[in-house]
Amino acid sequence: EAQVTQNPRYLITVTGKKLTVTCSQNMNHEYMSWYRQDPGLGLRQIYYSMNVEVTDKGDVPEGYKVSRKEKRNFPLILESPSPNQTSLYFCASSPSTSPYEQYFGPGTRLTVT
Amino acid sequence: QKEVEQNSGPLSVPEGAIASLNCTYSDRGSQSFFWYRQYSGKSPELIMSIYSNGDKEDGRFTAQLNKASQYVSLLIRDSQPSDSATYLCAVNGERTYKYIFGTGTRLKVLA
Repeated sequence: EAQVTQNPRYLITVTGKKLTVTCSQNMNHEYMSWYRQDPGLGLRQIYYSMNVEVTDKGDVPEGYKVSRKEKRNFPLILESPSPNQTSLYFCASSPSTSPYEQYFGPGTRLTVT
Repeated sequence: QKEVEQNSGPLSVPEGAIASLNCTYSDRGSQSFFWYRQYSGKSPELIMSIYSNGDKEDGRFTAQLNKASQYVSLLIRDSQPSDSATYLCAVNGERTYKYIFGTGTRLKVLA
């Protein structure tokens, strides 16, 4: 089944404890993105990647890191999480044939206390 | 700051009616426009994309784009209770993969 997977789906952590949210797609898509969704603010793009080793900042990259060492994986790293990073996170991917038509993962709900 | 504006709703329509969802955007350089549907607790799902002025129809859905007015809309004909969801408008610029999303309009279709 073609899909985007994220792990973990739910995470509660404490301020300052480094964490990684994984994203993997099995559709051989070139483009991948990370978003956060907050009430009243909608979906905001954190980082995106056009291909392996090619990444760029979205609208809200502060406090996040990404890497794209393999085509299928695009992990989101929070080096020192803070409570304002409590949010619902989505990973998305799209193929080069339709780069603007994104497929979203199921989401990761992160709570930082 | 580039913005995409949507009325948060809820927009309530009776079953079988036409639901009209609207979106305005601030960046005149925006080139691609998208409508996503998001059910409560689920991830967004792309339902329409439109790239040029005019109408684009797909089944019960019609997207309308007016770049001069910086306005994009989504019409849902013969609305069904299963259409009840939040509809997100998204735009991006030419040859860029940076997306700006609106905050979404919640649609309720009443049986």
